[in-house]
Amino acid sequence: NAGVTQTPKFRVLKTGQSMTLLCAQDMNHEYMYWYRQDPGMGLRLIHYSVGEGTTAKGEVPDGYNVSRLKKQNFLLGLESAAPSQTSVYFCASSSSGSSRAYNEQFFGPGTRLTVL
Amino acid sequence: SQQGEEDPQALSIQEGENATMNCSYKTSINNLQWYRQNSGRGLVHLILIRSNEREKHSGRLRVTLDTSKKSSSLLITASRAADTASYFCATDAPSNTGKLIFGQGTTLQVKP
Repeated sequence: NAGVTQTPKFRVLKTGQSMTLLCAQDMNHEYMYWYRQDPGMGLRLIHYSVGEGTTAKGEVPDGYNVSRLKKQNFLLGLESAAPSQTSVYFCASSSSGSSRAYNEQFFGPGTRLTVL
Repeated sequence: SQQGEEDPQALSIQEGENATMNCSYKTSINNLQWYRQNSGRGLVHLILIRSNEREKHSGRLRVTLDTSKKSSSLLITASRAADTASYFCATDAPSNTGKLIFGQGTTLQVKP
């Protein structure tokens, strides 16, 4: 059981380049999330998905796109990278989003992205 | 915007001492969770407390919740050097999306 995995672990981009971060989970979770973590800012939600084929905007969605074509995968895309997108990106998944249910999130190890 | 604010931002103690971290939030919640993050790693869930609970224990962890003050505290007793990490509180929004709103975290250093 690998849990939540993220690829790549590190990446350096030049301004204007594009890339896709891949998140995969093997826990059959319905809900998946992409966060960014910046010093002193905690984690901020970029986009999330409540099921295969669905996505929604989080707190800081601008400059990012996502897709959830398969239940186990959640992709985060940067179409034209900017230095402000230098950050550590975390993917997470959870089994239920019901407000009445226990919704512990399981996190991947993170992707450290630098945009020059 | 951030829901939770944590206090202190940084805490340094000696091994064996207790560490207390506080979290305040702004809106009503269904539950509050605490997560731990070791340097360079992802977050790991520690404990959850529901809005109708006031105190919860798990090993050396004790969490309290005061919904009237919209605050929670995490106590780590008899700290160890291995407890050195950042600790985050997270509150769930009253919706069905499972979204969590994280505080900015408390960085704990436990000196051997």
